[in-house]
Amino acid sequence: QKEVEQNSGPLSVPEGAIASLNCTYSDRGSQSFFWYRQYSGKSPELIMSIYSNGDKEDGRFTAQLNKASQYVSLLIRDSQPSDSATYLCAVRGRALTFGSGTRLQVQP
Amino acid sequence: SAVISQKPSRDICQRGTSLTIQCQVDSQVTMMFWYRQQPGQSLTLIATANQGSEATYESGFVIDKFPISRPNLTFSTLTVSNMSPEDSSIYLCSVDMHGSGGGSTDTQYFGPGTRLTVL
Repeated sequence: QKEVEQNSGPLSVPEGAIASLNCTYSDRGSQSFFWYRQYSGKSPELIMSIYSNGDKEDGRFTAQLNKASQYVSLLIRDSQPSDSATYLCAVRGRALTFGSGTRLQVQP
Repeated sequence: SAVISQKPSRDICQRGTSLTIQCQVDSQVTMMFWYRQQPGQSLTLIATANQGSEATYESGFVIDKFPISRPNLTFSTLTVSNMSPEDSSIYLCSVDMHGSGGGSTDTQYFGPGTRLTVL
């Protein structure tokens, strides 16, 4: 069983819609969770971090954490074509363990 | 966040040779990490490098193949030794910085990466 799982996509949404990205993790003791965005040919860029159950909002981005269900999600409101990228979920242990990433395509 | 630079940004190397990748940070950091991202794949941790101690390697990675130096708190190198085409990847350096916005956990930031092609 993979430690961090994501659907590889592609997830295709129209411009202006809400994109919902999901991630599950296997280590029940994990405390810190991160979402990174990676454009093709670029390195990962941190979008959000979340440590407590519930929602955390930052601009158009909302991270949601449910430790009981071992589930993390990222919502992107008012999706823009510039949001088209691969979104990586990461869980902190000694270092970061990454999911395989979900490719998001926002259609103009 | 930290400003992280890597050299070289890309290289094309011959089988059997070695390449040393440098990572420079604009502030002192305790922990530095080296990741590999193979084509179409996610990131895999190679090793953790702390200043003044031996690097800690993940399963499947060995010091003879990926020797790491960490001479001070702002600099590290990763060498890819005796390269084969299977080593063609992007190699990424990252560092821990204290979380912002009330977060108590360190957050990792990544350098721009080194794209390696082995012929």
